[in-house]
Amino acid sequence: AQKITQTQPGMFVQEKEAVTLDCTYDTSDQSYGLFWYKQPSSGEMIFLIYQGSYDEQNATEGRYSLNFQKARKSANLVISASQLGDSAMYFCAMREGITGGGNKLTFGTGTQLKVEL
Amino acid sequence: DVKVTQSSRYLVKRTGEKVFLECVQDMDHENMFWYRQDPGLGLRLIYFSYDVKMKEKGDIPEGYSVSREKKERFSLILESASTNQTSMYLCASSLTGNRNYGYTFGSGTRLTVV
Repeated sequence: AQKITQTQPGMFVQEKEAVTLDCTYDTSDQSYGLFWYKQPSSGEMIFLIYQGSYDEQNATEGRYSLNFQKARKSANLVISASQLGDSAMYFCAMREGITGGGNKLTFGTGTQLKVEL
Repeated sequence: DVKVTQSSRYLVKRTGEKVFLECVQDMDHENMFWYRQDPGLGLRLIYFSYDVKMKEKGDIPEGYSVSREKKERFSLILESASTNQTSMYLCASSLTGNRNYGYTFGSGTRLTVV
């Protein structure tokens, strides 16, 4: 079974509009972390935002916010006021367990976002 | 600026060759990881290491091995390259106990096996 599911292979959004990228996850751990990464066409992976399973508030980082719904096991990324530079592949990822040694990230299949004028 | 450096950006190798992909980090991170990225499949973990000389299999270790003789260096080895190993390979590192930092990634090696 997929641990991280991103159901939107591709998304389009108009410049200056908000967009939501979906992510659902599956884990039996009580303690886990959820991440979003951006991968522009150049290939580097850029960390965007993190949400811990015990965090009561939704994480925000500038124009990025994470809509965390624990009961639904969803961790959607919201990008407000989209810019042309936001065009990229976006990956949702999960780290299970506490921050012990070697905890690995499991990634979703990604969503390709295209911002249009 | 903290960094994860992968030795090659692009690599073309022949079927059957032994291939070494090198990754070096300068952040004194304990954990290092090798992923491969394929369209429609996302990133899949090949191997990881949480200490020098330690290694753990990831989800797709077949056809690969790794070496970590020094803390800062984690090598991925394709013992006998095959065309189905043509892919983008990403190295990453992380710090144990750093709750929300996640990974630092290298810029990737695009390997083509012909």
